Amino acid sequence: AQSVTQLDSQVPVFEEAPVELRCNYSSSVSVYLFWYVQYPNQGLQLLLKYLSGSTLVKGINGFEAEFNKSQTSFHLRKPSVHISDTAEYFCAVSDPLGIKAAGNKLTFGGGTRVLVKP
Amino acid sequence: NAGVTQTPKFRVLKTGQSMTLLCAQDMNHEYMYWYRQDPGMGLRLIHYSVGEGTTAKGEVPDGYNVSRLKKQNFLLGLESAAPSQTSVYFCASRPAQGKISNYGYTFGSGTRLTVV
Repeated sequence: AQSVTQLDSQVPVFEEAPVELRCNYSSSVSVYLFWYVQYPNQGLQLLLKYLSGSTLVKGINGFEAEFNKSQTSFHLRKPSVHISDTAEYFCAVSDPLGIKAAGNKLTFGGGTRVLVKP
Repeated sequence: NAGVTQTPKFRVLKTGQSMTLLCAQDMNHEYMYWYRQDPGMGLRLIHYSVGEGTTAKGEVPDGYNVSRLKKQNFLLGLESAAPSQTSVYFCASRPAQGKISNYGYTFGSGTRLTVV
């Protein structure tokens, strides 16, 4: 079974400072990895995803994440945050090779709330 | 280009009442999912479907039922609502295995349900 751990439930950060959100997963098989962002009172928006190839993935709004298979991690980074980055961020994992009956479902971490301070 | 549409967006129920949440997708996706979101717990899978006429239990299925009579619709039912079912519910869909670059899940905007 898959599981995802987001190590920080809240991350306060000053505007224009860098931020890193940590995500570790456990899975016995190969995985696809995702980061989603949820702005206040809104739905989920895909930031980026790792499916294969380069382990450094670039997404929208200046975010990037690095897949580290040996450490089973997929940490999200942004070199300089804006007030508008205040949101909750979710890491998720999917088993792409799972049998159809298993649904290839997404398993989410508990989320990390980022509060950007002026 | 609607994507995934959830109705209603908000609802307040009394304990013991029943209701159905509707998820509709216009992308011809095979797989559909219902999640609930609770503070500090991320999103947890309630039920899912791998095709028309098929459903399966997820991580937290108790108290919910689902149906997928048409490929584009996935209904989530609460037969007797309880305060513990107060949550935000998200529907998602994705296509069957295909071009790897297209692999992804499309989420609806959510339904905020309060059970009093």
